[in-house]
Amino acid sequence: AQKVTQAQTEISVVEKEDVTLDCVYETRDTTYYLFWYKQPPSGELVFLIRRNSFDEQNEISGRYSWNFQKSTSSFNFTITASQVVDSAVYFCALSEVIKAAGNKLTFGGGTRVLVKP
Amino acid sequence: ETGVTQTPRHLVMGMTNKKSLKCEQHLGHNAMYWYKQSAKKPLELMFVYNFKEQTENNSVPSRFSPECPNSSHLFLHLHTLQPEDSALYLCASSRSTSGIDNEQFFGPGTRLTVL
Repeated sequence: AQKVTQAQTEISVVEKEDVTLDCVYETRDTTYYLFWYKQPPSGELVFLIRRNSFDEQNEISGRYSWNFQKSTSSFNFTITASQVVDSAVYFCALSEVIKAAGNKLTFGGGTRVLVKP
Repeated sequence: ETGVTQTPRHLVMGMTNKKSLKCEQHLGHNAMYWYKQSAKKPLELMFVYNFKEQTENNSVPSRFSPECPNSSHLFLHLHTLQPEDSALYLCASSRSTSGIDNEQFFGPGTRLTVL
């Protein structure tokens, strides 16, 4: 069975500090997808990134960067120079590739990030 | 502005009531999903529809009844719910259910309280 673990339940930082969110996953599949979503207080989950299991290149998008390490089954997320608007709950998720049955996302428990001014 | 809308945003109902949650996606996607997010559990997938056909029922109690009349609309019919069903119900859609177009886009959710 799949499992996603986000060990940090809450992180509090002061604005402009960097913050790294950890994500460790378990799967028996050789082909899978990893995702990060942001959930602001409004409740809607906002898609941030998808990474497939064959692509271990790290990615940077503005102040966001992701470090995918297949050897350690980790997909960590770093926010550089955090801002108050980054305050939200961040979810890591894993998707099995299931033919015909649907795209099943397994979510981690989420990490609440609080950025103080 | 999200391409996935949900109504109502908040709902309070008694255990004997019957109500429905509505989800609409404006993204031209083919797959739609219902998730439950409660305070003490990770996000749980409930149902998956692909081209209007249900492809996944994650052992959801029969008091939750989904309906997908077309690829743009998804309903969740509720009846004789329990207080423990109180949660945020999130709808999502994706272009496909596999391959490179499988990222899911979420609506704002319906906050359900069962009294």
